[in-house]
Amino acid sequence: DIVMTQSPDSLAVSLGERATINCKSSQNVFRGSNNKNSLTWYQQKPGQPPKLLISWASARESGVPERFTGSGSGTDFTLTISNLQAEDAAIYYCQQSYTLPLTFGGGTKVEIK
Amino acid sequence: EVHLVESGGGLVQPGGSLRLSCAASGFTFNNFYMSWVRQAPGRGLEWVANINQDGHAEYYVDSVKGRFTISRDNAHNSLYLQMSSLTVEDTAVYYCVTNEWEILTAWGQGTLVTVSS
Repeated sequence: DIVMTQSPDSLAVSLGERATINCKSSQNVFRGSNNKNSLTWYQQKPGQPPKLLISWASARESGVPERFTGSGSGTDFTLTISNLQAEDAAIYYCQQSYTLPLTFGGGTKVEIK
Repeated sequence: EVHLVESGGGLVQPGGSLRLSCAASGFTFNNFYMSWVRQAPGRGLEWVANINQDGHAEYYVDSVKGRFTISRDNAHNSLYLQMSSLTVEDTAVYYCVTNEWEILTAWGQGTLVTVSS
């Protein structure tokens, strides 16, 4: 199974500042069939189901603010939230969409400082 | 708009069984793989099972193989998860999710399964 490791477990960031979340996969998740990295990011707010934010490592879903940026390739990926807003307080999960079983990182809790 | 509504959760004793259902609407159900994903209280996300569009291919995480069965009824836009031999470790919110290229695109609100004596 591919192990997904997120860091940090939590971080507190001031409004308007930048939050950076890292995700590392135990295997390369680059999919040669479409030349894309099979890495997905989700946001989960308290009492709500997760919401798809970014797929293929860097493709923002429709309606996701541009301050959310996904980057990385191979085994190392980053979710950056620029100009942090109050509504961005949530837990963020990465997930490899490369092979079964699908596996998630442990989550990173973003709080407002 | 995609709408997924899970039902069937509740309190069950260890060793018991439960069947979860998911009613889908707002999209062409039989065009999509579907998944169940669970989240234990205060914990992270765990993928449980996938089923392909026609229901003839199923995939499970090792911890539920032989105990859980995913199925679907495309005529009624419904997804199911039959769970048996439940243990306390199966206690979680279970989400019904659309699956495109193993990307979990739309999520229901979830149904809580509590396994306790």
